[in-house]
Amino acid sequence: DTAVSQTPKYLVTQMGNDKSIKCEQNLGHDTMYWYKQDSKKFLKIMFSYNNKELIINETVPNRFSPKSPDKAHLNLHINSLELGDSAVYFCASSLTGTGKTDTQYFGPGTRLTVL
Amino acid sequence: AQRVTQPEKLLSVFKGAPVELKCNYSYSGSPELFWYVQYSRQRLQLLLRHISRESIKGFTADLNKGETSFHLKKPFAQEEDSAMYYCALGEYGNKLVFGAGTILRVKS
Repeated sequence: DTAVSQTPKYLVTQMGNDKSIKCEQNLGHDTMYWYKQDSKKFLKIMFSYNNKELIINETVPNRFSPKSPDKAHLNLHINSLELGDSAVYFCASSLTGTGKTDTQYFGPGTRLTVL
Repeated sequence: AQRVTQPEKLLSVFKGAPVELKCNYSYSGSPELFWYVQYSRQRLQLLLRHISRESIKGFTADLNKGETSFHLKKPFAQEEDSAMYYCALGEYGNKLVFGAGTILRVKS
């Protein structure tokens, strides 16, 4: 299947733990993104990478660290998880990271619950 | 400051009724606007974008720069249109700024 995939789909963990979410796209795109959707369904961009280079880095706690081993993968590592990190995290990709008109293709989301 | 405003959290209409999902934006420069849709248990996907000036699944949206609006319209709602709709503004670096979203519920 040609798509953006994320693992795991669900993640339940205790406060203070460190966890990672993985994202892969096989669309041949150059740019990948992480978005956070909070409990009110508000979607906000966190990071974007273009060809393994960090492009967008919104005001996100430095406990969140994206890592892009190659342009098809963008992982999100979260240290010292807090209750407020509970959300759905979406990965997305687009053909380029330039301009402002590229369609973004989204993954299915990872629901993170911090207890 | 909120750059994309969707004033309605929930819009409930009967099947066959017209639909208008409101979106207002603030942006200095030439805006690029999109509507993304998330159907139940499906991933977020692009519905339409203003530069294409196309109609997708019967939906259209016209950019009104004077009113800074990009409302999504459909003349006759169908039950399968029920979903969460997000208006989004594209910024340089291909950054999408989303509105808060509107849930459209089409009742039979």
